Amino acid sequence: GESVGLHLPTLSVQEGDNSIINCAYSNSASDYFIWYKQESGKGPQFIIDIRSNMDKRQGQRVTVLLNKTVKHLSLQIAATQPGDSAVYFCAEKKYSGGGADGLTFGKGTHLIIQP
Amino acid sequence: GAGVSQSPSNKVTEKGKDVELRCDPISGHTALYWYRQSLGQGLEFLIYFQGNSAPDKSGLPSDRFSAERTGGSVSTLTIQRTQQEDSAVYLCASSSLDGVNRARGYTFGSGTRLTVV
Repeated sequence: GESVGLHLPTLSVQEGDNSIINCAYSNSASDYFIWYKQESGKGPQFIIDIRSNMDKRQGQRVTVLLNKTVKHLSLQIAATQPGDSAVYFCAEKKYSGGGADGLTFGKGTHLIIQP
Repeated sequence: GAGVSQSPSNKVTEKGKDVELRCDPISGHTALYWYRQSLGQGLEFLIYFQGNSAPDKSGLPSDRFSAERTGGSVSTLTIQRTQQEDSAVYLCASSSLDGVNRARGYTFGSGTRLTVV
């Protein structure tokens, strides 16, 4: 079936370095993508989103890149800080079509910031 | 309240017992969702309420699972005759936004960690 997944379950980076978290999706009809951050014991929190008519979007210290040709999504975090340690999920959503107004989430990547 | 509140935060139950999980969404949020998060897995959609419309139950894994939302506010997820595979974190989210912005506006609760022994 169609699914959203992540390449690496765990990513360890040095504090201050940049990190890149990757996501592969297989539903070519998906036209909206979101990155969420989930800290331990908390629910996911919205970070940044991107629509399929864009290939890049920047936020504060975060950038999301979308490559529709290879169905790949990435989240770049600049100058990582200890507070960036969390599990990061990508999610896809279809605008059109009926059914559940829900998101399909990947399994998540655990980002660990080394001091 | 300031955020989505879920109770209890932790629940341990014996196999075969029924459990009720509660979600208090942000006041005024018309959309409410239940998700399940198993260990090391992504979020699995369960059910969606939007205003007074019939809920979308397409994600419920079996007829042991049911949910209701009273008065368009508080929601209760009920699991009957719990099984060990029901052990997971159950997350509730609400949103006030419409259409394409709805997912952007999701506010999740901290979840209920259910352990079936």
